[in-house]
Amino acid sequence: TQTVSQSDAHVTVFEGDSVELRCNYSYGGSIYLSWYIQHHGHGLQFLLKYYSGNPVVQGVNGFEAEFSKSDSSFHLRKASVHWSDSAVYFCAVSGTGGYKVVFGSGTRLLVSP
Amino acid sequence: GPKVLQIPSHQIIDMGQMVTLNCDPVSNHLYFYWYKQILGQQMEFLVNFYNGKVMEKSKLFKDQFSVERPDGSYFTLKIQPTALEDSAVYFCASSLGQGADYTFGSGTRLLVI
Repeated sequence: TQTVSQSDAHVTVFEGDSVELRCNYSYGGSIYLSWYIQHHGHGLQFLLKYYSGNPVVQGVNGFEAEFSKSDSSFHLRKASVHWSDSAVYFCAVSGTGGYKVVFGSGTRLLVSP
Repeated sequence: GPKVLQIPSHQIIDMGQMVTLNCDPVSNHLYFYWYKQILGQQMEFLVNFYNGKVMEKSKLFKDQFSVERPDGSYFTLKIQPTALEDSAVYFCASSLGQGADYTFGSGTRLLVI
């Protein structure tokens, strides 16, 4: 059974700050790790995904995430946030042999001007 | 980019009545999903569907729930009869393959009264 843990329910930063949103997972086999963003009143939008290779993956709008097998983590980072980055961010994991994606509980990012 | 369309965006229904939520997935996608999100909470997996069959479902996918996609038309989620606890936002998603990125719709907000 795969599980995803997002330890921070809320993160508040100022525009221009860097931010890291934390994600830890547990799963016994090969997995895909993803991040999605949900703006208020909308569905989830795909940001980036890791399966293998370079542990640092680049996504849209300056986001990147780094996979760490030793820490079972896949933290999302952005060097300089904009107010429009305010949203809920979901980390997700799926097994390569399975059909479903399991989402974390989400981290609400608030970027103050 | 390609979009998943969900119809209707809002639905209010009396408890005990039947409701059908419609999803028009991305045209070349093969895997279809329904997720349930209660306001402010996590995205909960309900079911996935491939090649005309339910591949996997969660405990939330009660006996009153059913899915189908007749002849490549809408991918539908039917709830019959509805209960008060079915009130939530239901998100449809589709993907090209296992482990591929999901494309989400904007959700159908269902209120059972």
